[in-house]
Order: sequence, then structure tokens, then C-alpha cells
Amino acid sequence: AQSVTQPDIHITVSEGASLELRCNYSYGATPYLFWYVQSPGQGLQLLLKYFSGDTLVQGIKGFEAEFKRSQSSFNLRKPSVHWSDAAEYFCAVGAGLTGGGNKLTFGTGTQLKVEL
Amino acid sequence: NAGVTQTPKFQVLKTGQSMTLQCAQDMNHNSMYWYRQDPGMGLRLIYYSASEGTTDKGEVPNGYNVSRLNKREFSLRLESAAPSQTSVYFCASSEPRALSYEQYFGPGTRLTVT
Repeated sequence: AQSVTQPDIHITVSEGASLELRCNYSYGATPYLFWYVQSPGQGLQLLLKYFSGDTLVQGIKGFEAEFKRSQSSFNLRKPSVHWSDAAEYFCAVGAGLTGGGNKLTFGTGTQLKVEL
Repeated sequence: NAGVTQTPKFQVLKTGQSMTLQCAQDMNHNSMYWYRQDPGMGLRLIYYSASEGTTDKGEVPNGYNVSRLNKREFSLRLESAAPSQTSVYFCASSEPRALSYEQYFGPGTRLTVT
């Protein structure tokens, strides 16, 4: 069964500083990987996804992530954080389900705080 | 194009009461899902419907039932609410034929059971 680990529960960075959120996954085949962001009281918005091709993927809001198969990692990065990036970030791995559909297995999330 | 909508946004129930959470999507997706989100646990799959007319259990189905009313709508029912079901519930949809496994989420329903 697939699993996702986000080792950092909380991260605090200063506005303008760089950011890296860690994600490690466990999955037997080539993974479908996602980063979602959740602002307070809101649903989940997709930041970026990887399922094949270039291992460095670009997303919305200036985020990028790099898939490293040898390390089973899919870390999220941003060169310069803005105060509006304060939110909770979820990494997820996707897999097909018996009978159709697909399942996302989520990590427990990383809460990002941005200091002005 | 509203995407995925959920009603209600907030609900307070007493132990033993029942209620139905409604979800609808206007993206013509075949698959729909119900998740619950609890602090420190991420999102966990309750039930899913791979296509109209089918439903299956996810990781945490106990205490819940679902109905795929048509291609657009997928409801979640709590027959006898318990405090352990206090959570935020998210509905999602996806199109498996897109082969990207991306899911689109609604805004959530915040449920408190006292």
C-alpha cells in the first residue's frame, strides 16, 4: 500500500526567504505525485503534479517540485516566499482503485507560517 | 463553472442524529470521493464512486453510507452521528480517463457532533 510522509509539521520562514517542504513516498510502481495547498477554512487547491517526464515540475504561484526516484522524494520549493503563502501544504500519491477511479493517499500536512 | 460544491458548509449535530452531506460537480467527471480531514491525520478516504451506479468503501467507512444519485451528485449520510465523526468533510471528483489522477475538491463541510 502506498504511503506519504511529511516530516515537518510546522515550518516558519521570513517573507522573501526560500522555502523547501519535504515529502517522501512509498509506492511500488511509478508514482503519481501531487502537492495541494489549503488556506484556512478553504478546500484543497492543486499546486502541481508529476506523473511522467521531466522530474522538475512547475506549478502555480511560483512553486516547483522535484521528483527524485532514488530518494523516494517529491520536495516542494519556492525561491521567495510571500506572506500570502501561509497555509497548510499536503503531499499526496495517487494510485488506481479496483473497479476504477483513483485514490489519493495524503501526508499529514505541513503548516507554513510566514513572518513579515 | 462552479467545480465541486458542497452543502451545508457548517453543521452541528447531537449524538444519535442523522444527516446527509450533499456534493455536486459540474465537470462531467466519472469518479467522486468523500474524505474526512482530522488534525494531524491528513485526509482519509471514506467512500468513493468510480462511476455512476457504483460505490466502494475507502479506508474509514464505518458509520457512513453513500449514494451516487446520478453522474453529478454523490451524497454522504451519517445514520447515527457520534462525537468521533466530528471532522471536516471534503468531496472530490476526478476523470480517470485523463490518466493524471488529479482530483478536484469542494470547499468542505465542517461538522461538529456533541
